[in-house]
Amino acid sequence: AQTVTQSQPEMSVQEAETVTLSCTYDTSESDYYLFWYKQPPSRQMILVIRQEAYKQQNATENRFSVNFQKAAKSFSLKISDSQLGDAAMYFCACLDSNYQLIWGAGTKLIIKP
Amino acid sequence: DGGITQSPKYLFRKEGQNVTLSCEQNLNHDAMYWYRQDPGQGLRLIYYSQIVNDFQKGDIAEGYSVSREKKESFPLTVTSAQKNPTAFYLCASSPLRLPSTDTQYFGPGTRLTVL
Repeated sequence: AQTVTQSQPEMSVQEAETVTLSCTYDTSESDYYLFWYKQPPSRQMILVIRQEAYKQQNATENRFSVNFQKAAKSFSLKISDSQLGDAAMYFCACLDSNYQLIWGAGTKLIIKP
Repeated sequence: DGGITQSPKYLFRKEGQNVTLSCEQNLNHDAMYWYRQDPGQGLRLIYYSQIVNDFQKGDIAEGYSVSREKKESFPLTVTSAQKNPTAFYLCASSPLRLPSTDTQYFGPGTRLTVL
C-alpha cells in the first residue's frame, strides 16, 4: 500500500526567509504524481505545486519549488521569501493508479513577522 | 464563476439521524471525491465516482452512502451507522482528461458536529 510521511508536525520561519518542508512516500507504481496542498485557517484545500514522477526536472511555481529525489522517494517543498499569507497546514499527497490521493498528516507552517 | 460548492458550511446532527452533505461542481469534471478530515490528520477517502451512476468505496466508506445521478452533483449521506461522524468533510473533483487528469480541486468543506 502507498504511504506518505511528513515527519515535521510544525515548522516556523522568519518572514522573508526560506523554509523547506519534508515529505517521503512509498509506492510500487512506476508512474505517479506528487502534490503539495496548502490548507489555510479557512480550511479550503489549495493546490500549491505538482510533480510528475517521470520528469526529472523539479517543478517550480513562483516562490514555491520542490526537490524531487525519486530514488530516495523524497519530495520536499521549498518556500522562498516567506510571507505571512503562507501560514497554513501543508499536505503532501501521492496519486495512485486509481486516481486516489494518499495523504500525509500535514505540517503546520508558522510565519514569524 | 467555475468551482466547487459545498453546503451547508456548518451542520449539526442529533445522534441517530441521517444527514446529507451537498457537493456541486460546474467545472465539467468527470470524477468527484469525498474526504473526511479529523484534527491533526490528513484526508481519508470515503467514496469516489469517475462516471455518472457509478461510484467506489474508499478507505472509510462504512456508515456513509453516496449517489451520482448527475455529473455535477455528488451528495454524501452520513448515516446513523457511522459511529463517530463529527469531522470536517471535503469534496473534490478532477477532470480525468488531458492535460490535468491527475489534479483534484477542492470545495470549501462542511463541518459536521453530532450533538
